[in-house]
Amino acid sequence: ETGVTQTPRHLVMGMTNKKSLKCEQHLGHNAMYWYKQSAKKPLELMFVYSLEERVENNSVPSRFSPECPNSSHLFLHLHTLQPEDSALYLCASSQDSGHLAFFGQGTRLTVV
Amino acid sequence: GENVEQHPSTLSVQEGDSAVIKCTYSDSASNYFPWYKQELGKRPQLIIDIRSNVGEKKDQRIAVTLNKTAKHFSLHITETQPEDSAVYFCAASQDNFNKFYFGSGTKLNVKP
Repeated sequence: ETGVTQTPRHLVMGMTNKKSLKCEQHLGHNAMYWYKQSAKKPLELMFVYSLEERVENNSVPSRFSPECPNSSHLFLHLHTLQPEDSALYLCASSQDSGHLAFFGQGTRLTVV
Repeated sequence: GENVEQHPSTLSVQEGDSAVIKCTYSDSASNYFPWYKQELGKRPQLIIDIRSNVGEKKDQRIAVTLNKTAKHFSLHITETQPEDSAVYFCAASQDNFNKFYFGSGTKLNVKP
């Protein structure tokens, strides 16, 4: 499938590691999002970028650091994570606002 | 901020029966309500959405209804099939605000 692509699909990292998640969208959208999906919890909005500017930082710990170099790419830099950060991290994109349509397949992160 | 509640958390129906999933929201300014289906191991996919200027929308076997006064909206699936088995998420957002608030999800199991 094309549209929103996330890499890697799976990631296992130690608590002292530094890694990055990548998201790329080929839909011409101008807004991109990071969501965290934990078991038995609602999807949690982490960050929103609109026109490459961060417009939302939903009380996310500083060990998660987003980067949006252009409207097609979004990164989530990870460092000194905790085991409770293990989850599925989903990227999504939309055109303008009010119409969130496309999710990536997610990165399954396990912190050991 | 917005608070979206979704019920039930699990729903089991016989093939051919109807299924109804309900969501309530707290912010009267919310005006866009999408529904997502997430099959096991896959990304959430938009299946239907409704805007606040519409009370009902239908697409083949699925329909969504919205009651703005009561601040609740529902997903209706008729003639359910085993392939409808998935987790369904509702969400609420406002136009011009890049924020989407999700319900906690309903795991639908359609028994053949």
